[in-house]
Amino acid sequence: GAVVSQHPSRVICKSGTSVKIECRSLDFQATTMFWYRQFPKKSLMLMATSNEGSKATYEQGVEKDKFLINHASLTLSTLTVTSAHPEDSSFYICSAEQVGGRYEQYFGPGTRLTVT
Amino acid sequence: QKEVEQNSGPLSVPEGAIASLNCTYSDRGSQSFFWYRQYSGKSPELIMSIYSNGDKEDGRFTAQLNKASQYVSLLIRDSQPSDSATYLCAVNDYKLSFGAGTTVTVRA
Repeated sequence: GAVVSQHPSRVICKSGTSVKIECRSLDFQATTMFWYRQFPKKSLMLMATSNEGSKATYEQGVEKDKFLINHASLTLSTLTVTSAHPEDSSFYICSAEQVGGRYEQYFGPGTRLTVT
Repeated sequence: QKEVEQNSGPLSVPEGAIASLNCTYSDRGSQSFFWYRQYSGKSPELIMSIYSNGDKEDGRFTAQLNKASQYVSLLIRDSQPSDSATYLCAVNDYKLSFGAGTTVTVRA
């Protein structure tokens, strides 16, 4: 149980284009989903928290107009990186918190984004 | 800002030994504590959660929590080469605060 999927697992895009990453909780409903990014050999950095049907809460320093988050249902959240630049290249990971759970977060496998 | 600190590592242990990982946290009101394992190039995987003082065992893993000392630990018994990974301590009150991680290498 508690499986989270992400799609795509790897994406290469050109500078200036937009990329959408999907995060799905496969066998549970998620009250809240989180988006992280991680640079090589660095800690996870929380980007934003999203609740189904409401606007995402972004961490300080994260541009909400650049990283668009939509939490359309209790099993799906999407992150769109708009007008991507090479410095946006990173490992993006989502996590989901189960409805009625005890704050346990289950992570997706991650999406490796490379912007050329 | 919640702070979570882990012993710096890296930690190298021989196969079959016990690996001991430590973590302290700054917010005395924290209630939920987790250990995640992260293999290189992969996302974190939840291996233990603990909410009450004392020990919690799951297979070869034992988590220990002492809220008075604001301390949580993870013991890995009979360490295997497949346990080689970075272990992240996390404290959660609405969002996770992670420690920097301790990299464990199990020598065959």
